[in-house]
Amino acid sequence: DAGITQSPRHKVTETGTPVTLRCHQTENHRYMYWYRQDPGHGLRLIHYSYGVKDTDKGEVSDGYSVSRSKTEDFLLTLESATSSQTSVYFCAIDRGLDTDTQYFGPGTRLTVL
Amino acid sequence: GNSVTQMEGPVTLSEEAFLTINCTYTATGYPSLFWYVQYPGEGLQLLLKATKADDKGSNKGFEATYRKETTSFHLEKGSVQVSDSAVYFCALSDKTGNQFYFGTGTSLTVIP
Repeated sequence: DAGITQSPRHKVTETGTPVTLRCHQTENHRYMYWYRQDPGHGLRLIHYSYGVKDTDKGEVSDGYSVSRSKTEDFLLTLESATSSQTSVYFCAIDRGLDTDTQYFGPGTRLTVL
Repeated sequence: GNSVTQMEGPVTLSEEAFLTINCTYTATGYPSLFWYVQYPGEGLQLLLKATKADDKGSNKGFEATYRKETTSFHLEKGSVQVSDSAVYFCALSDKTGNQFYFGTGTSLTVIP
């Protein structure tokens, strides 16, 4: 158990509405990541964070923003959700104890109608 | 750039059959290589990893050897069980930017 929780676990929303997903860790690790998982694409990195207020873009960052105001929480926001953002979203951490190994949360299934 | 290619699925095997899931990679430098497993409705769990050439990762009867000469990290298991039914992801880390690169996943179903 990597001590990662995600909320909500499931969400259905409508096109154009803002959505925020939360990732919470209990172990104060520095690196946190947001991925989306889609059939035929595996996991693709959206954004990641290397410390409080320190974030960077990943491969598929358009339409997403993130914030990290404290070590334990990493928020992913869809400012105006679109149907193409229907996906399963995973948060991950790098514990730093093992050589660059990531550990994943349980995921959030988001449906944009 | 960095990328991972793994065999297309789905794969269906009978219980106790031999499993191979192929994975090849492209990377600059000397990446770390990983296999993750995802059971239905769950997140990804680390199955095994190898951090340098010729290393063998192993866990729960699964094995994979880091082959630099063929840029491969194939997953094998000698005798699969129904409980091994899951999606398997090959991944690499380039160790520079704490970024991972994932394959598209291979779905395995084991039938009794």
